Amino acid sequence: AQTVTQSQPEMSVQEAETVTLSCTYDTSESDYYLFWYKQPPSRQMILVIRQEAYKQQNATENRFSVNFQKAAKSFSLKISDSQLGDAAMYFCAYRSANTGNQFYFGTGTSLTVIP
Amino acid sequence: DAGVIQSPRHEVTEMGQEVTLRCKPISGHNSLFWYRQTMMRGLELLIYFNNNVPIDDSGMPEDRFSAKMPNASFSTLKIQPSEPRDSAVYFCASRGRGVHYEQYFGPGTRLTVT
Repeated sequence: AQTVTQSQPEMSVQEAETVTLSCTYDTSESDYYLFWYKQPPSRQMILVIRQEAYKQQNATENRFSVNFQKAAKSFSLKISDSQLGDAAMYFCAYRSANTGNQFYFGTGTSLTVIP
Repeated sequence: DAGVIQSPRHEVTEMGQEVTLRCKPISGHNSLFWYRQTMMRGLELLIYFNNNVPIDDSGMPEDRFSAKMPNASFSTLKIQPSEPRDSAVYFCASRGRGVHYEQYFGPGTRLTVT
């Protein structure tokens, strides 16, 4: 089974600053999808951003962008101009494009935004 | 769209009682997933269905847990008998066909077994 590793259990950032959350994964496949989900205190899991492995261009959604390094199997999330509402748990997830529906989630990174 | 709907949002029960969690996926989605989230174990996939058929239930912890999906718009996760270690947040998620590959999560059910 694929594994997804988030090596930073906790991170903090000053409001308006930039922070990068790390994620690495292990797979032998070449075609897959990667995701970042946000879980605020409300518990709702919210999709932040998606990256298709066949695309070289890094995905961007407003203040959120990724640094996708396929050879290194790395998928980091950069949050620019951090806001108080960005405080949450962030989960990295992997899904194969070919072998079924299952998503593999990392253990999460808890992000604190300091006013 | 109303999104994925779960009920109840909170459930408190005594050890030994039967607990049933309910999920209504997003209309038109053909895959449904049940997850359990705890501080100790993080987010665990329990089971998932594709076109109402259980595909992988290897994450179901033991025989006390069962899940059904009688039709495309409804699924249940049942725990019988419940134990204190089952206390967790249980999420249901659904995923559509085609190019929309992400899962959409419901708000979760917080289960407390005393």
